[in-house]
Amino acid sequence: NAGVTQTPKFRILKIGQSMTLQCTQDMNHNYMYWYRQDPGMGLKLIYYSVGAGITDKGEVPNGYNVSRSTTEDFPLRLELAAPSQTSVYFCASSSLAGTSGKGAYEQYFGPGTRLTVT
Amino acid sequence: KNQVEQSPQSLIILEGKNCTLQCNYTVSPFSNLRWYKQDTGRGPVSLTIMTFSENTKSNGRYTATLDADTKQSSLHITASQLSDSASYICVVSSGALGGNLIFGKGTKLSVKP
Repeated sequence: NAGVTQTPKFRILKIGQSMTLQCTQDMNHNYMYWYRQDPGMGLKLIYYSVGAGITDKGEVPNGYNVSRSTTEDFPLRLELAAPSQTSVYFCASSSLAGTSGKGAYEQYFGPGTRLTVT
Repeated sequence: KNQVEQSPQSLIILEGKNCTLQCNYTVSPFSNLRWYKQDTGRGPVSLTIMTFSENTKSNGRYTATLDADTKQSSLHITASQLSDSASYICVVSSGALGGNLIFGKGTKLSVKP
């Protein structure tokens, strides 16, 4: 198992350009997530998906779009890149979202994509 | 407002020494609390997950405690090794659909020889 893989590892974008960050997991997990991590800050949820065809906004969705056509893939699209989107992006997956009692299933994170917008 | 506060921000210890990292949270409803280890340039890796009924959980040299009444957790590292140098992140799940996790900013631990 490769776990959660992300491409690219690094990318520099010019303001106004667009790009797609790729995320793939081979653990047959239902749930997938996109986070961003700014220097010295905690991870913030951008979007998440509870299964193929279903996505929902997280805490900081503005400027991003996602799709989930398969269980394995959860790409994150940046349209009209802005300097405020300079960050490290992490994709994660879990078999079931942590709910209550014993139903807490951990998330597995990818290695991250470091994006700089100049 | 749901928040997770960690202290200290950073810590330097000598190899072989023990240390304790703190986490205070104001998250409601509470589902579970997690500690993650994040090496520089890598994604977070789970160390422990505790629900409200669990007071202590160990993973090798890592022991996490949870006091749900005072909303505090700690992560104790025993006999530190150079490889323990990393950021340690406390994460609290509110249990909302979608696995809503609130992340602390982390404690950066440096273990020196």
